[in-house]
Amino acid sequence: DAGITQSPRYKITETGRQVTLMCHQTWSHSYMFWYRQDLGHGLRLIYYSAAADITDKGEVPDGYVVSRSKTENFPLTLESATRSQTSVYFCASSDSGTKNEQFFGPGTRLTVL
Amino acid sequence: SQQGEEDPQALSIQEGENATMNCSYKTSINNLQWYRQNSGRGLVHLILIRSNEREKHSGRLRVTLDTSKKSSSLLITASRAADTASYFCATGEPGSARQLTFGSGTQLTVLP
Repeated sequence: DAGITQSPRYKITETGRQVTLMCHQTWSHSYMFWYRQDLGHGLRLIYYSAAADITDKGEVPDGYVVSRSKTENFPLTLESATRSQTSVYFCASSDSGTKNEQFFGPGTRLTVL
Repeated sequence: SQQGEEDPQALSIQEGENATMNCSYKTSINNLQWYRQNSGRGLVHLILIRSNEREKHSGRLRVTLDTSKKSSSLLITASRAADTASYFCATGEPGSARQLTFGSGTQLTVLP
């Protein structure tokens, strides 16, 4: 399917477990982003990537790890999940042209018990 | 920290009325964008206005930008029930490598 997809869509895990959220885009966009959305906070940037093998921290990176070995994939790993990481996670992508808009995936709702 | 703050936090109107949402931000920007989010879905880009532009139109959407006041407004004319959603402003700052900083959003409800 064309576009940007996230998996899983829903995940329940326990404190201390490692969790990986997947993001895949078919447009060959250079830029990819991970956000978390919490009530009252809007979207906050966790990590972003300007190209394969180039990643950088956003506003709230602590407790998260990313990698980008291929342009189309940008997985987000919670190394040891905490209850404060319960949130909805959105992946987005953007190309490197003059249009600056971001295209968002459908989100992953993560619950950490 | 959030760059954009939307006002009001919630807005309820009747179908056919116009809806106006405002966004204020704190620092210099390259561009300001508006996104819509339907319940349980990802965000969808609506419109982008660059820092050297003052007004932009797209269908029933009108966006204004006042860089001297660090504020923007989104006007949706002749609203429909399908416009019910959360609306977010997002700012792109100089040197930010396409990062956007999002506000906390306005929840718009259009009553049929």
